[in-house]
Amino acid sequence: AQSVTQLGSHVSVSEGALVLLRCNYSSSVPPYLFWYVQYPNQGLQLLLKYTTGATLVKGINGFEAEFKKSETSFHLTKPSAHMSDAAEYFCAVSQPNFGNEKLTFGTGTRLTIIP
Amino acid sequence: EAQVTQNPRYLITVTGKKLTVTCSQNMNHEYMSWYRQDPGLGLRQIYYSMNVEVTDKGDVPEGYKVSRKEKRNFPLILESPSPNQTSLYFCASSIQSNTEAFFGQGTRLTVV
Repeated sequence: AQSVTQLGSHVSVSEGALVLLRCNYSSSVPPYLFWYVQYPNQGLQLLLKYTTGATLVKGINGFEAEFKKSETSFHLTKPSAHMSDAAEYFCAVSQPNFGNEKLTFGTGTRLTIIP
Repeated sequence: EAQVTQNPRYLITVTGKKLTVTCSQNMNHEYMSWYRQDPGLGLRQIYYSMNVEVTDKGDVPEGYKVSRKEKRNFPLILESPSPNQTSLYFCASSIQSNTEAFFGQGTRLTVV
C-alpha cells in the first residue's frame, strides 16, 4: 500500500522568501513521486517528477524537489516566491512495476504569497 | 495540442436527474480515470479504465458509472445525483496507471 502526507494545508510566505512545501510518503517499494500545481479554476499541471536517477529534480517555474529515501520525503522548494506561485500544490506517489498501481494524492497545500 | 477535454465546466442540477460529464483525450493514452476533489480531502479516485472495455472501481465509486467504448472517451454518469455528489470533478489520462497524469480543466457540479 502507498500513501502521501502533506504537512500544512495552508502555507503563507512573503514575496521573495523561500517556499518549502512538505511531502512524506509511504511505499513498500521505491516509488515514483510527483508534484502537481492547481491554479484557481484550472486543472492540475505537473510541476516535476522523480522516477529514478538523480534525487534532486528540477521542475517548471523554478521549483525543485529532493527525494530523500532515508526520510521518506519529497519536499518541494523554490528559493524566491513570486506572486504568481499562489496556488494549491499536490504531492502524489505511485509504485513502478506494479501494473495496476495508481497515483495516490495528498490532501494538498494551499500556498499564499504575501506582498 | 495534447489535452484532456471535459464538458461541461459548470453544471447545476436537481436531485435525481441523470447527467453525464464527458471526457476526451487526444494523446492515445490507455489509462483514464475520474477524480473528485473536495476541500480537505484532496483528490479521490472514482473509477478508472486500463483500456477499452476495461473499467474498475476506485476509492469512491458509489453513485457513479463509467464506460469506455472508445480509447479517447471516458464519460462519467450519475444516474440519480444527490447533494453529497456536489464536488469538483477531474478526468485524467496517462500512458500507464503509475505515470504522469494529464488532467482536464474540471467540472464543478452542484446538486440541489
